[in-house]
Amino acid sequence: DAKTTQPPSMDCAEGRAANLPCNHSTISGNEYVYWYRQIHSQGPQYIIHGLKNNETNEMASLIITEDRKSSTLILPHATLRDTAVYYCIVRVPYSGAGSYQLTFGKGTKLSVIP
Amino acid sequence: DAGVIQSPRHEVTEMGQEVTLRCKPISGHNSLFWYRQTMMRGLELLIYFNNNVPIDDSGMPEDRFSAKMPNASFSTLKIQPSEPRDSAVYFCASKGNEQFFGPGTRLTVL
Repeated sequence: DAKTTQPPSMDCAEGRAANLPCNHSTISGNEYVYWYRQIHSQGPQYIIHGLKNNETNEMASLIITEDRKSSTLILPHATLRDTAVYYCIVRVPYSGAGSYQLTFGKGTKLSVIP
Repeated sequence: DAGVIQSPRHEVTEMGQEVTLRCKPISGHNSLFWYRQTMMRGLELLIYFNNNVPIDDSGMPEDRFSAKMPNASFSTLKIQPSEPRDSAVYFCASKGNEQFFGPGTRLTVL
């Protein structure tokens, strides 16, 4: 799986949009970009994933550049409960021949400030 | 849906004792994962099962660690004998379309 690079920490004012960047310059054509987050003392939580088109769900939006070498997770209106470590992961899709792993890096610690 | 259930949530034991961590995956999920998280090493995959069969246990640190999945609704991770360096938070996750994690078991080995 391709390696990702994320800033170690970011701050965001409550109510503002949080934009979390991720570089994945060695991503392969069939690798997806996944985002998980981990709130303190909890297990990681799935947020969103995408291949090349922008994606949006009830939690966040995912913007993937045209060359797919980087992406941005957007939390449109950050709240204090969004304070967490956010992990960007790239991996091949589930093949059906078995299961799949997630390789977690160090992530970005997002602090939402009142 | 109760999500992934892990027990116990906290475990404190003495070095040399046997420790058994338990996991109940989400019903209908056919893949189960055990992870370990420490400050030094972050989140590491230990082993995963597909349809109750161990697929990859290359992340299991030593022979002291063993994992079983006797049926689709239950898995255990056992450490025997336990050592202080095994102190960590152990997460179980199950996969349907995506991986969903349990709340974790915080293990302290004195």
